[in-house]
Amino acid sequence: DAGVIQSPRHEVTEMGQEVTLRCKPISGHDYLFWYRQTMMRGLELLIYFNNNVPIDDSGMPEDRFSAKMPNASFSTLKIQPSEPRDSAVYFCASSLAGEKNIQYFGAGTRLSVL
Amino acid sequence: QKEVEQNSGPLSVPEGAIASLNCTYSDRGSQSFFWYRQYSGKSPELIMSIYSNGDKEDGRFTAQLNKASQYVSLLIRDSQPSDSATYLCAGSNDYKLSFGAGTTVTVRA
Repeated sequence: DAGVIQSPRHEVTEMGQEVTLRCKPISGHDYLFWYRQTMMRGLELLIYFNNNVPIDDSGMPEDRFSAKMPNASFSTLKIQPSEPRDSAVYFCASSLAGEKNIQYFGAGTRLSVL
Repeated sequence: QKEVEQNSGPLSVPEGAIASLNCTYSDRGSQSFFWYRQYSGKSPELIMSIYSNGDKEDGRFTAQLNKASQYVSLLIRDSQPSDSATYLCAGSNDYKLSFGAGTTVTVRA
């Protein structure tokens, strides 16, 4: 199993630009999670999906953030426009219902907004 | 206040010693608890899960859960330099995980 795959691994952009992060969950998993990790706030849940449907987006910080899951094998997290305070590592994780919420994390995308 | 609180550390232990990490949680509805290990610059990796009161052992790792006290702990026996990492405690009462801030462990050779 290839695990959760995220791209790009690193992204450097300028303030005001649109950023799109991508995630491919583990095949067969029906839950997908987007997290953000910073030194100040730790690991925070932004949004999660079940069977491609957004269930809880209460962690999404602002309207500048949006997430989609058009099918079971692909999700995107978009920031438009980006700001320096969005600089963080963004992780995607997936899990399988019935596995007691064991979540498997991707390698993450390190985002730097200049 | 975070839903999950960890002893802040950092924790430094000599090789071969026991490292003890503690975690408390505020949501009494939490049913599942996890310990993730995160090496610097890497993603969190699950090392232990525990769902019922008592101890659960897996190799050199032992997780303990006390729901009455809302307390979770992780013991690492015979600590090795490769155990040097940040350990994240997480709790869940549905499919969402709430993470603590993490405890950084350094094992001195």
